[in-house]
Amino acid sequence: GDSVTQMEGPVTLSEEAFLTINCTYTATGYPSLFWYVQYPGEGLQLLLKATKADDKGSNKGFEATYRKETTSFHLEKGSVQVSDSAVYFCALLGDYKLSFGAGTTVTVRA
Amino acid sequence: EAQVTQNPRYLITVTGKKLTVTCSQNMNHEYMSWYRQDPGLGLRQIYYSMNVEVTDKGDVPEGYKVSRKEKRNFPLILESPSPNQTSLYFCASSPFRDGTEAFFGQGTRLTVV
Repeated sequence: GDSVTQMEGPVTLSEEAFLTINCTYTATGYPSLFWYVQYPGEGLQLLLKATKADDKGSNKGFEATYRKETTSFHLEKGSVQVSDSAVYFCALLGDYKLSFGAGTTVTVRA
Repeated sequence: EAQVTQNPRYLITVTGKKLTVTCSQNMNHEYMSWYRQDPGLGLRQIYYSMNVEVTDKGDVPEGYKVSRKEKRNFPLILESPSPNQTSLYFCASSPFRDGTEAFFGQGTRLTVV
């Protein structure tokens, strides 16, 4: 079945550092891919998405590129802020459901 | 404001005592879903509904029931809760029938003792 594997956390960074969170997937065909973010005490929010190979999703300074050849969708941000501290989930869309990775906790220190 | 509202936000209960977690959305979405979030496992889908009176099992449906009598509401029912159902639960709705671009509620933290 469909599955998503993302890098283990937690990740701790200083402000203005570069952030990468690795995500790889296993699925039949070419599913749509997503990154969701969960701020403390809140539900998940859609951060960005890509629906086909080589698509780049971007939002709030975050980017991720759908790589079919490596079945990956790594999340990157060039300069993080304290407000980016959250849990980040990679997900793919299968048959009528989203399959999520385990989540990566990111803490940004001032 | 577009939102998905869950109640209660926090609940501690005892084994075997039936409970219901409510979920309501004000966006007229046809698709709604329930997930549970556990450390190291991410979110796993419990049940989903593509429209009124249409529900189907997700990955972990055992021990749960749902109903969809109205488009806006999708309650999660635990007939006889057990400690292994202690978890953080999220309701979600989507404007798309395949569940993409889902809007999530704030979560319900359930503890079963």
